[in-house]
Amino acid sequence: AQSVTQLGSHVSVSEGALVLLRCNYSSSVPPYLFWYVQYPNQGLQLLLKYTSAATLVKGINGFEAEFKKSETSFHLTKPSAHMSDAAEYFCAVRGETGANNLFFGTGTRLTVIP
Amino acid sequence: NAGVTQTPKFRILKIGQSMTLQCAQDMNHNYMYWYRQDPGMGLKLIYYSVGAGITDKGEVPNGYNVSRSTTEDFPLRLELAAPSQTSVYFCASSPASGGASEQFFGPGTRLTVL
Repeated sequence: AQSVTQLGSHVSVSEGALVLLRCNYSSSVPPYLFWYVQYPNQGLQLLLKYTSAATLVKGINGFEAEFKKSETSFHLTKPSAHMSDAAEYFCAVRGETGANNLFFGTGTRLTVIP
Repeated sequence: NAGVTQTPKFRILKIGQSMTLQCAQDMNHNYMYWYRQDPGMGLKLIYYSVGAGITDKGEVPNGYNVSRSTTEDFPLRLELAAPSQTSVYFCASSPASGGASEQFFGPGTRLTVL
């Protein structure tokens, strides 16, 4: 069965500092992995996705994530935080059934301190 | 394209009342999903559909019903509302192009049952 664990429900960084949001997954087959961002009172927007083409995936707004099979991880990073990055971030893994649904982690709320 | 639209944005129900959450997409996607988001719990799949006339249960279907008479619309019906159904509901759609395909989310409906 698929599952995702996000370590740290809240992360605070200073503006200009490195952002690191952690995600570990469980899957019995090679996974499809996703990071979504949710701004206050809005729906989810795709940041990036891993589809096995490359282990380092670049997304929108300067974010990237690295797939590490040995560590079953897909951590999200950004070299320099901006105030506009404050949001909730969700890691997700694609289900293995024909539903193609996503299994989400519990989310990490990112606060950026000026 | 409007993408995925949901109505209403907010609703307060009394215990035992019923209502329908509307969802529509204009991207001609075959797959559509209903998720609920509870605080600190991530998103859970309620129901999904792989095409008009075909629906199936997700992780948390109790207390809900769906129908899919057209490709565009996927309403979610709550019968006999209960406080446990207080949540934010998201509709999503996806093209039937395999596990790497992105899910597009609507803005959500915030439901409170008192």
